Amino acid sequence: EDQVTQSPEALRLQEGESSSLNCSYTVSGLRGLFWYRQDPGKGPEFLFTLYSAGEEKEKERLKATLTKKESFLHITAPKPEDSATYLCAVPDSWGKLQFGAGTQVVVTP
Amino acid sequence: GAVVSQHPSRVICKSGTSVKIECRSLDFQATTMFWYRQFPKQSLMLMATSNEGSKATYEQGVEKDKFLINHASLTLSTLTVTSAHPEDSSFYICSARALAGGTDTQYFGPGTRLTVL
Repeated sequence: EDQVTQSPEALRLQEGESSSLNCSYTVSGLRGLFWYRQDPGKGPEFLFTLYSAGEEKEKERLKATLTKKESFLHITAPKPEDSATYLCAVPDSWGKLQFGAGTQVVVTP
Repeated sequence: GAVVSQHPSRVICKSGTSVKIECRSLDFQATTMFWYRQFPKQSLMLMATSNEGSKATYEQGVEKDKFLINHASLTLSTLTVTSAHPEDSSFYICSARALAGGTDTQYFGPGTRLTVL
């Protein structure tokens, strides 16, 4: 059975303090790994899809990387508006997503 | 990026009434859409998979007669909560699967907050 584990559960950062979030996965055949951010009271916002080990994608202060066992979401010089819950997920062959529990990030000024 | 809309964004209804929530993919076609519910400070829970032109597939423990799903076109799926009760109050979110150019991505709607009095 596919498993997705995110760590840490919560992360409190000072503005400008870079850090990384981890998403480890166990799947029978990787069909992609998705990263989303979710703000309170809103649906998840798509950030990245990674398909193969060694792949990297960037968007503003966020950079996602993928290995054969885990993915990292690096937040460089975060700002308060980067505060959110970050979710990773892997799809099965039917497209159903297996989510991690999420990492709640709080960035203070 | 692709856009998925939901309507309404918020609904308050009396116990026993039915509520319909629409999910639309605005700039792409989605043969598959998914419906989730989310309770405060919890992760998304998949309720059902909605396939255009066929019956929805429900997750274990989700009552199909309670949560009616219709995927009438490649851009529209609806979730009807029938005879709603206070325990059905939750945040309902849909997602639409976009298959294009060798990529397979899911985009989420903004969610619908249902409150049953």
